[in-house]
Amino acid sequence: DAKTTQPPSMDCAEGRAANLPCNHSTISGNEYVYWYRQIHSQGPQYIIHGLKNNETNEMASLIITEDRKSSTLILPHATLRDTAVYYCIVRLYRGGGADGLTFGKGTHLIIQP
Amino acid sequence: NAGVTQTPKFQVLKTGQSMTLQCAQDMNHEYMSWYRQDPGMGLRLIHYSVGAGITDQGEVPNGYNVSRSTTEDFPLRLLSAAPSQTSVYFCASSSTDRGTDTQYFGPGTRLTVL
Repeated sequence: DAKTTQPPSMDCAEGRAANLPCNHSTISGNEYVYWYRQIHSQGPQYIIHGLKNNETNEMASLIITEDRKSSTLILPHATLRDTAVYYCIVRLYRGGGADGLTFGKGTHLIIQP
Repeated sequence: NAGVTQTPKFQVLKTGQSMTLQCAQDMNHEYMSWYRQDPGMGLRLIHYSVGAGITDQGEVPNGYNVSRSTTEDFPLRLLSAAPSQTSVYFCASSSTDRGTDTQYFGPGTRLTVL
């Protein structure tokens, strides 16, 4: 799986859009970009994933650059409850993923009131 | 759906004791995994299973056993607890629906070994 690089921490004002970057310059053509988050003391939570196209769901939007070497997770209207560590994970589809996700250190997003 | 459930939420053991951490899912997922998370660290895979009767080792399997007799349950056994096993343990499940590897995590079991 390709290595990812994320800033260790970011601040965002409540109500504003939070834009979390991820660099994955060695990504291969079949690798997906996944985003998870972990709110303090809770289990990781799936947010969104994509391959080439931009994706949007009820939680967030994922913007992947045309060369696929980087991506941005966008939380459109951040709330205090979005304070968490956000993980960007790049991996091949393995038919279920039971062999484990590789979690790096992620970005600690702090939403300021 | 309850999703992925784990019991107990908290546990304190003495060195050398054994115990079983329970994990269950009601989403009919084929795949289940166990991770541990040490303070300030990312998650590390302990064991995983791709279906009933099939298990395999992850990154840090020593000191732990697993079995998968049903689709729903995937218990993790600590054979002889050691202080180095003090950690938060997360169980996860996933399926092949929609051709992706999205994993769903339980709330965790916080284990302290004295």
